[in-house]
Amino acid sequence: DAKTTQPTSMDCAEGRAANLPCNHSTISGNEYVYWYRQIHSQGPQYIIHGLKNNETNEMASLIITEDRKSSTLILPHATLRDTAVYYCIVRVGGVLTGGGNKLTFGTGTQLKVEL
Amino acid sequence: NAGVTQTPKFQVLKTGQSMTLQCAQDMNHEYMSWYRQDPGMGLRLIHYSVGAGITDQGEVPNGYNVSRSTTEDFPLRLLSAAPSQTSVYFCASSTLSGESNEQYFGPGTRLTVT
Repeated sequence: DAKTTQPTSMDCAEGRAANLPCNHSTISGNEYVYWYRQIHSQGPQYIIHGLKNNETNEMASLIITEDRKSSTLILPHATLRDTAVYYCIVRVGGVLTGGGNKLTFGTGTQLKVEL
Repeated sequence: NAGVTQTPKFQVLKTGQSMTLQCAQDMNHEYMSWYRQDPGMGLRLIHYSVGAGITDQGEVPNGYNVSRSTTEDFPLRLLSAAPSQTSVYFCASSTLSGESNEQYFGPGTRLTVT
């Protein structure tokens, strides 16, 4: 799996957009970008994933650069409840054999949303 | 639909004791796995299973055993607890098909070994 690089921490004002960057310059053609978050030592929670097109769901948007070497997770209107550690993970997607289903977590970005 | 459940929530062991951490899911997921998370670190994979009767090692398997006799349950056994196994343990499950393979995590078991 490709290695990812994320800033250690970020701050965001409540109600503003939070833009969390991730570099994955060694990503392979069949690898997806996944985002998970972990709120206050709870179990991680899936947010969104993408291959090369931009993606949006009810939680967030994912913007992937054309060369796929970096991406940005956007929380459009951050709230205090979005304070969490956000993990960017690159991994093969689709139908998997067991070993390929593992998630390799780095240390993530600690996002702090403040009033 | 309870999702992924783990018991106990907290546990204190003495060095050398053994115990089993329980994990169950009610989503009929083929894939189940165990991670540990040490303070300030990301999660590391201990063992995983792709179905009943099939298990394999992850990144940090030493000192742990697993078995998968049913689709629903995936217990993690500590054979002889050591202080280095003090950690938070998370169980996760997912399907093996589909693009997202979204993994669902349990609430965790906080283990202290003295």
